[in-house]
Amino acid sequence: RKEVEQDPGPFNVPEGATVAFNCTYSNSASQSFFWYRQDCRKEPKLLMSVYSSGNEDGRFTAQLNRASQYISLLIRDSKLSDSATYLCVVNVGGANNLFFGTGTRLTVIP
Amino acid sequence: DTGVSQDPRHKITKRGQNVTFRCDPISEHNRLYWYRQTLGQGPEFLTYFQNEAQLEKSRLLSDRFSAERPKGSFSTLEIQRTEQGDSAMYLCASSPRGNQPQHFGDGTRLSIL
Repeated sequence: RKEVEQDPGPFNVPEGATVAFNCTYSNSASQSFFWYRQDCRKEPKLLMSVYSSGNEDGRFTAQLNRASQYISLLIRDSKLSDSATYLCVVNVGGANNLFFGTGTRLTVIP
Repeated sequence: DTGVSQDPRHKITKRGQNVTFRCDPISEHNRLYWYRQTLGQGPEFLTYFQNEAQLEKSRLLSDRFSAERPKGSFSTLEIQRTEQGDSAMYLCASSPRGNQPQHFGDGTRLSIL
């Protein structure tokens, strides 16, 4: 079983729509969680960390459910510039490395 | 620019040749990581340094691969006797400590002919 699983999409949504991505992780000892964004042929860039209490950054909201080992990302009022691949990332404590999902591809359509 | 920098951006070489990539991390970050990413996949961990010590290596890192960070600053990743399956994007990242977010460089795209 993979450490991190994501729906690869693609998600094609109109501008202004709300879209949600989900991710599950297999190791209950996982300690920190992130969403990264990756544009085509570019490096991953940190979008936001995910905290147990949930956190929001502008149009982006991240949630963590430790009991279900589940992470989500909600994007409100989608912009064309949100088109990218969104990577769910989990740090398994002590391993000092990140496990990446395969990414969910989002295309926002005018 | 104080981000992670990698060199070269692209490398095209024939099968069987050796290649070496360089990564300069963010200066105050003592942790440095190498990843490999192929099309349609997320990055896969290869190896990790804390200062000059190589603390962890993935099983993906065959004996043709070697990484160094001699002075705890920049790092090199060498692939000997390249194979077509080595074609990928090689990403370097750094962080100030283990559970902090990692910051990635632009990557080196390797193509084996």
